[in-house]
Amino acid sequence: GAGVSQSPSNKVTEKGKDVELRCDPISGHTALYWYRQRLGQGLEFLIYFQGNSAPDKSGLPSDRFSAERTGESVSTLTIQRTQQEDSAVYLCASSFSGGSYEQYFGPGTRLTVT
Amino acid sequence: GENVEQHPSTLSVQEGDSAVIKCTYSDSASNYFPWYKQELGKRPQLIIDIRSNVGEKKDQRIAVTLNKTAKHFSLHITETQPEDSAVYFCAASLPTGNQFYFGTGTSLTVIP
Repeated sequence: GAGVSQSPSNKVTEKGKDVELRCDPISGHTALYWYRQRLGQGLEFLIYFQGNSAPDKSGLPSDRFSAERTGESVSTLTIQRTQQEDSAVYLCASSFSGGSYEQYFGPGTRLTVT
Repeated sequence: GENVEQHPSTLSVQEGDSAVIKCTYSDSASNYFPWYKQELGKRPQLIIDIRSNVGEKKDQRIAVTLNKTAKHFSLHITETQPEDSAVYFCAASLPTGNQFYFGTGTSLTVIP
């Protein structure tokens, strides 16, 4: 594909419901990152996948957040029992490898919890 | 872990003037320092990056300088144009690490 894609672009959900966000990285990129960006704020690291290694989950804010990735392809970020403070743009990025390689960002999913 | 601080948080300049954004980092082992530009409602995009074996890099109106001793790096935009208005993020990464450590962003406004 041409770049990183994410779906849905917008998601409105009621408090307490579960949501699943999807990220399709650039083909051949082994590293995949999820970030959260609240309105007017910076990029908050959530989780990192590198190939078949165990993911770095150190940025997940609570056990309501989880993510999976199948090999070096699609990743899903799941938020259970959503809260209003989960409202944000969730950005996915991929890179050729971890560390010192450019990250390419997807367009993001804007999540609104009502 | 690494800690990246970015200043200023907001910056307004007249069109044609220069803009400078500064970042400091804490881990001397960091070796890659990208700068991202995020226009309103858009995704962050890399505009320039520098590695620790280089002190300065330039791309047209944009330049980045790195001072490893002082552990700071700066973005310089010359001859600013209204389309330079955006939020700029610096970042640092370690050679063995997983994460990019991002600064908190600088909102640049170029006044026509």
